[in-house]
Amino acid sequence: QLQLQESGPGLVKPSETLSLTCTVSGGSISSSSYYWGWIRQPPGQGLEWIGHIYYTGKTYYNPSLKSRLTISVDTSNNQFSLKLSSVTAPDTAVYYCVRHGYLWPEGWKFDSWGQGTLVTVSS
Amino acid sequence: DIQMTQSPSTLSASVGDRVTITCRASQSINTWLAWYQKKPGKAPKLLIHKASSLETGVPSRFSGSGSGTEFSLTISSLQPDDFATYYCQQYESYFPLSFGGGTKVEIK
Repeated sequence: QLQLQESGPGLVKPSETLSLTCTVSGGSISSSSYYWGWIRQPPGQGLEWIGHIYYTGKTYYNPSLKSRLTISVDTSNNQFSLKLSSVTAPDTAVYYCVRHGYLWPEGWKFDSWGQGTLVTVSS
Repeated sequence: DIQMTQSPSTLSASVGDRVTITCRASQSINTWLAWYQKKPGKAPKLLIHKASSLETGVPSRFSGSGSGTEFSLTISSLQPDDFATYYCQQYESYFPLSFGGGTKVEIK
């Protein structure tokens, strides 16, 4: 059974870089059938797609975050990572790692989710 | 960007009620729409994809319909486990992928 698990600091200072890693178990991140990505939910708000990556390194980013965002993949450790630079308070959110199918558009719904991790931006 | 608008934002209902949530897209998304159920402290769960296709294991009391810009999620007989927040998501355009604002289904 596929499992996704987020890890990383729960507190980040303003202007610093938020870094999270998602470890995939029960399946290979190198599968040609899936993309791997990130979604966040600020407290009391809705869901926001951040971006995703294919095992080859091909990425899609939310244009609103693109200038601050890097998503990378580590196939040897079955992990992928998120880096969001120059964070401010509005970046405080629960961050989920997710999976969706490769084919667009039919596959681009999120069928597997990590449990989520709260990242707070505060000094 | 494709904007997704859900209504109502909150819905009060009783066990056994039939409830319907609406999701409207700012432009046509054909049937590239998914519905998720979100409970506090838990990850969202995919219920329906391609507007009306039920995910494996999702109870048949959930159904989806619509195409173009107007969509709905219906729960035919609300169960205690269904009190949650529901989100729609369009995947016709990935610049960016977008969600509705959510509909909280609460106990009346």
